[in-house]
Amino acid sequence: SAVISQKPSRDICQRGTSLTIQCQVDSQVTMMFWYRQQPGQSLTLIATANQGSEATYESGFVIDKFPISRPNLTFSTLTVSNMSPEDSSIYLCSLGGGPAHTQYFGPGTRLTVL
Amino acid sequence: GEDVEQSLFLSVREGDSSVINCTYTDSSSTYLYWYKQEPGAGLQLLTYIFSNMDMKQDQRLTVLLNKKDKHLSLRIADTQTGDSAIYFCAEWVNYGGSQGNLIFGKGTKLSVKP
Repeated sequence: SAVISQKPSRDICQRGTSLTIQCQVDSQVTMMFWYRQQPGQSLTLIATANQGSEATYESGFVIDKFPISRPNLTFSTLTVSNMSPEDSSIYLCSLGGGPAHTQYFGPGTRLTVL
Repeated sequence: GEDVEQSLFLSVREGDSSVINCTYTDSSSTYLYWYKQEPGAGLQLLTYIFSNMDMKQDQRLTVLLNKKDKHLSLRIADTQTGDSAIYFCAEWVNYGGSQGNLIFGKGTKLSVKP
């Protein structure tokens, strides 16, 4: 199965700044997703990262706040813009397209906003 | 809307069986999943079951599905301290064609006492 890495693994940021999270896969994949896991909560899908076109955002998430890039089939970035303490979460990328719609997750980026 | 419910905590003794329960609301779900999240790590897919099955066994793991009651359970036999983690139930909600989303529960924290 594909190896998924995320950078950074964790970060502590100041309010009002932005952080870009990278997701790298060791093989080409068609479907990549970005999720947010707020403290003590389940995972919520932010968007589907589409290669060569704009990401598809879920209700409640907008491109200005969470811009996503997907320049090729092995890499994607998620930026958390103009951060506030409410953005403190774990952000995970995942790969889809497996049998039975299975998704495989990266190790996550733990973000704390002060 | 779609919802997945789980109890938040379960504590068992090493060597006992653990049973983690989940209920879901979307009767059209075609696949249901169990993921494991160890501290500081991403989500690991443990197993999944197709909705036309009522049981699936994989080594120490047994998944039971009661489609009539929309109830899914994960039984871990001979629970070990290494099984301590958060277990997430998820359902695939189909929006048409191949489009859909994974909907996650909030997770059940399993604590295994020696």
